[in-house]
Order: sequence, then structure tokens, then C-alpha cells
Amino acid sequence: QQQVKQSPQSLIVQKGGISIINCAYENTAFDYFPWYQQFPGKGPALLIAIRPDVSEKKEGRFTISFNKSAKQFSLHIMDSQPGDSATYFCAAINGGGSEKLVFGKGTKLTVNP
Amino acid sequence: GAGVSQSPRYKVAKRGQDVALRCDPISGHVSLFWYQQALGQGPEFLTYFQNEAQLDKSGLPSDRFFAERPEGSVSTLKIQRTQQEDSAVYLCASSSDRGASTGELFFGEGSRLTVL
Repeated sequence: QQQVKQSPQSLIVQKGGISIINCAYENTAFDYFPWYQQFPGKGPALLIAIRPDVSEKKEGRFTISFNKSAKQFSLHIMDSQPGDSATYFCAAINGGGSEKLVFGKGTKLTVNP
Repeated sequence: GAGVSQSPRYKVAKRGQDVALRCDPISGHVSLFWYQQALGQGPEFLTYFQNEAQLDKSGLPSDRFFAERPEGSVSTLKIQRTQQEDSAVYLCASSSDRGASTGELFFGEGSRLTVL
């Protein structure tokens, strides 16, 4: 049972464009939603995170939008650069519960020059 | 150290062999996690330690998998009688106490296990 559903599986964007990755969840006990970035041969690295009482969080070119009623959240990468080419994972955790971070299946982003 | 260190980075084992994967967490991090990442998939939780106590091992796929963290620092993931389906990247992550509850983990580069 996939606790966090992520789409699309892969995404190709031109340099300067906007990359959008979407995630959905069912467990309303989740109370923190981090995004991770992973380059080939490396471990995932925390990119940005949001709590469900916030509808949007922006850090540089990266923005998380959160829709609590729809149980959906998304990552927007503005002015996408070739260096952003990586696999992105959304994740969710019930911090007051098992403290087990669950990941989506990932989106492989390719930004063409 | 500056980050989470894992060794070996690559391990090739013949089916039936035992393997041991080591994780050196960030100094001072009380929480340590092991995840399994199959090719093209997201990391899947295996087990969680707070200091030396293993608080959750619900993700270990079988009794062939065993993890320990005897002194609350270095951890070892052991896989006995390896099978081909064990082939994956094994990721270790550490965090502060607060980071564990917010999912803000620091991952190592992983140990890639190939079982022939």
C-alpha cells in the first residue's frame, strides 16, 4: 500500500522553465512533509519541508504548495537549471507516532540546456 | 565526521553468503535509520534506533536481516544467507531528536549490494 503517491514518474523541462511534481497522501496523521533531492550514486538530501498548517513555503527557486483538504502537496522549481536534474522524492511522517518517514516513488527530473 | 559515512560502498555477494554493512552517523545524532532502496524506487524503511535502543524494526523484510547499534553510535546491518531479492542500495540516515520527528534526516551515500 503506497502511503504517498507521487507523479509524474519522469519529467523533462527546458532550462528556465517550471518543474512541477505532485504528491498525495491518505493518512491524516502525517504532520510533516519533507522533499528530498537525490543525485545518481548519492544519498537523498533534504531540500525543503512544510507543515500542514502552512499553505505555501518558498526557499529560493523551490516552493512547496500544500492543500490540506485535498491531502495533496506539490513542489515547484522555478527557473529550472540543468544542475537541478536529479530524482526528487516527496515524503511524509507522523512525528508523534512511529517516526517512520515514508517516501514516494520519486520523479526523475531532466532539465535540458 | 562531517556527514554520515557508510561502508562498503559496493558489495558483491554470492547467494547464501552473509554480509555486514556499516554506518557511522553524524557525531551527536541520537537517531539512526536504515532504509532499503531498490533500483528506480523510493527508500523503504527498515529499522530505527534511538541511541542503542532499536525502537522499530517493522520494516526488516525477514529474520535474515538484523541490525545493531551497541554503543549508540556506529550501526551494522547484517544480512544472513543473502538472496537475489536482497540486491539494493542500503541507506543509513541519522538525525537529531527533533529531526527524527520531522523527517529531517541526513543520509549517507549508501551501500550497493549485488547478490549473484
